[in-house]
Amino acid sequence: EVQLVESGGGLVKPGGSLRLSCAASGFTFSSHSMNWVRQAPGKGLEWISSISGSSTYIYYADSVKGRFTISRDNAKNSLYLQMNSLRAEDTAVYYCARVPVTYGYYFDYWGQGALVTVSS
Amino acid sequence: ERVMTQSPATLFVSPGERATLYCRASQNVSSDLAWYQQKPGQVPRLLIYGAFTRATGIPARFSGSGSGTESTLTISSLQSEDFAVYYCQQYNNWPPAFGQGTKVEIK
Repeated sequence: EVQLVESGGGLVKPGGSLRLSCAASGFTFSSHSMNWVRQAPGKGLEWISSISGSSTYIYYADSVKGRFTISRDNAKNSLYLQMNSLRAEDTAVYYCARVPVTYGYYFDYWGQGALVTVSS
Repeated sequence: ERVMTQSPATLFVSPGERATLYCRASQNVSSDLAWYQQKPGQVPRLLIYGAFTRATGIPARFSGSGSGTESTLTISSLQSEDFAVYYCQQYNNWPPAFGQGTKVEIK
């Protein structure tokens, strides 16, 4: 069974940093591109970052570019998101999401989410 | 960058009735279109990919159609568990982009 479990969320002050983790199991982690998708309270879904299986290709949404860093450790079946210079507008539930190995950059499995609250 | 627009924002439907949700892309996305369902307090769930292919375990009452700039998600006979927010997402062009969602509520 595919499982994605995020951790590391919490309350942080504006300008602060936080690191999210996503532990994967039930599939060959290194074969899949992985992503972070966030959802602000009461709002829709926003893709923010992706990383290919071998970490060769990394992309960011403009809203987080230069502040967030995505990475992965295939030996540990883990995905990470280092978030720096956090702003109030970064307050959201952060989901890690898997892309299938077949054609198509959609998200077939999602973690349960980690809540990040940026507030003084 | 593709902009995805969903309509209506809210759809009021009685149980057992048919629901039709629309997703419009600012430019051609071919059939590279997915639909997700999100119930309150829950994680988004993949319903449809490739515009019309149901994901594993998705009931046949969910169907997708369309291509190019216009796509549709149809729920043939709404069940109580179908009242939720539905999002479309294009993956024809980078970056992947979601619509703003359609909330399906009980009439």
